[in-house]
Amino acid sequence: AQSVTQLGSHVSVSEGALVLLRCNYSSSVPPYLFWYVQYPNQGLQLLLKYTTGATLVKGINGFEAEFKKSETSFHLTKPSAHMSDAAEYFCAVFGDFGNEKLTFGTGTRLTIIP
Amino acid sequence: DGGITQSPKYLFRKEGQNVTLSCEQNLNHDAMYWYRQDPGQGLRLIYYSQIVNDFQKGDIAEGYSVSREKKESFPLTVTSAQKNPTAFYLCASTPPGGDTDTQYFGPGTRLTVL
Repeated sequence: AQSVTQLGSHVSVSEGALVLLRCNYSSSVPPYLFWYVQYPNQGLQLLLKYTTGATLVKGINGFEAEFKKSETSFHLTKPSAHMSDAAEYFCAVFGDFGNEKLTFGTGTRLTIIP
Repeated sequence: DGGITQSPKYLFRKEGQNVTLSCEQNLNHDAMYWYRQDPGQGLRLIYYSQIVNDFQKGDIAEGYSVSREKKESFPLTVTSAQKNPTAFYLCASTPPGGDTDTQYFGPGTRLTVL
């Protein structure tokens, strides 16, 4: 069965510093991978997704993620953190055959230090 | 404006009462989903429906029921059989065609059972 592991339930970075949120996945077929962001008491908003093709995916708000098959990873990065990036971030994998649904990680709460 | 609406945003109920959460979309999306979110646990799938008059249990369907009488609407009933109903509930939908892996989320309903 597919699964997602997000390392670090809480990450703090200084404003202007690099943001790195880690995601590792397990899937028996080539995965489709997603990052979503959630602001307090709101729904989830799609940041970016990887399906096929270029392994470096660019998303909204200056975020990007790189699919590394050999490491089964899909880490999210942003070169320079902004205060408005403070939110919870979820990595998700789209299903194996016969299980076409999203499986989410447990989330990483990002705090930005002024 | 097209989108997914969930109402109400906050809902309070006494223990033992059934309660129905609304989810409506005007995006002409075929598939709709209900998730439950608890702190530190990510999103867990309750029910999903890929077409009108058909729905499937997700990972945590016990104590919940749904209906899909119209394409636009996918209400969730939290029954008195649900042992721990206090949570944040999110509805999502996916478009038809080639983008069926990408889910778009509503703003959520926070249910508190007193």
